[in-house]
Amino acid sequence: GQNIDQPTEMTATEGAIVQINCTYQTSGFNGLFWYQQHAGEAPTFLSYNVLDGLEEKGRFSSFLSRSKGYSYLLLKELQMKDSASYLCAVTSSNTGKLIFGQGTTLQVKP
Amino acid sequence: EADIYQTPRYLVIGTGKKITLECSQTMGHDKMYWYQQDPGMELHLIHYSYGVNSTEKGDLSSESTVSRIRTEHFPLTLESARPSHTSQYLCASSDPGTAYEQYFGPGTRLTVT
Repeated sequence: GQNIDQPTEMTATEGAIVQINCTYQTSGFNGLFWYQQHAGEAPTFLSYNVLDGLEEKGRFSSFLSRSKGYSYLLLKELQMKDSASYLCAVTSSNTGKLIFGQGTTLQVKP
Repeated sequence: EADIYQTPRYLVIGTGKKITLECSQTMGHDKMYWYQQDPGMELHLIHYSYGVNSTEKGDLSSESTVSRIRTEHFPLTLESARPSHTSQYLCASSDPGTAYEQYFGPGTRLTVT
């Protein structure tokens, strides 16, 4: 079976750093994505990891450990506009199908 | 920039009506997907297509149907809308050249009264 777990909600302060964790179990693994979704809008792509390690892109970084079935998204220098839902998703085969976690709603406070 | 479009953006319709949600993309992607998402809840895959004349049901059972007659077009149809169909419907497409990154349309928010 396939299962993706991430915290439901998180709160952080503007200017701070926050780490959103994601654990997954899949019958096969082809890559892990992080998407950002503002309320009422479509998800937008943030990052993609297929090999172990850290991928950095500006204020956002994503880490993957395939042996542990674990990833995290790191957001630095938080801004109010970062308040959104962050979705962890895995592709479990070469089909291109994405399996999404429930998402983590991040609230950034002044 | 991704070019994937959905119409209508918002739809309020009465029970029993037939509706078609449109999705089109201009990127030439073979793979297209339909997701259903209730407010604050996770995305559920309801249909996908790997190319023209290819359609498959997704992980969440849905009473809707889809067709893929042209690469760029992937409409979703509900023959008889019910209040339980009230939800947001998101269309996406992907290109294996970009590691299957999915590009999402803006979504259609459907309300069935």
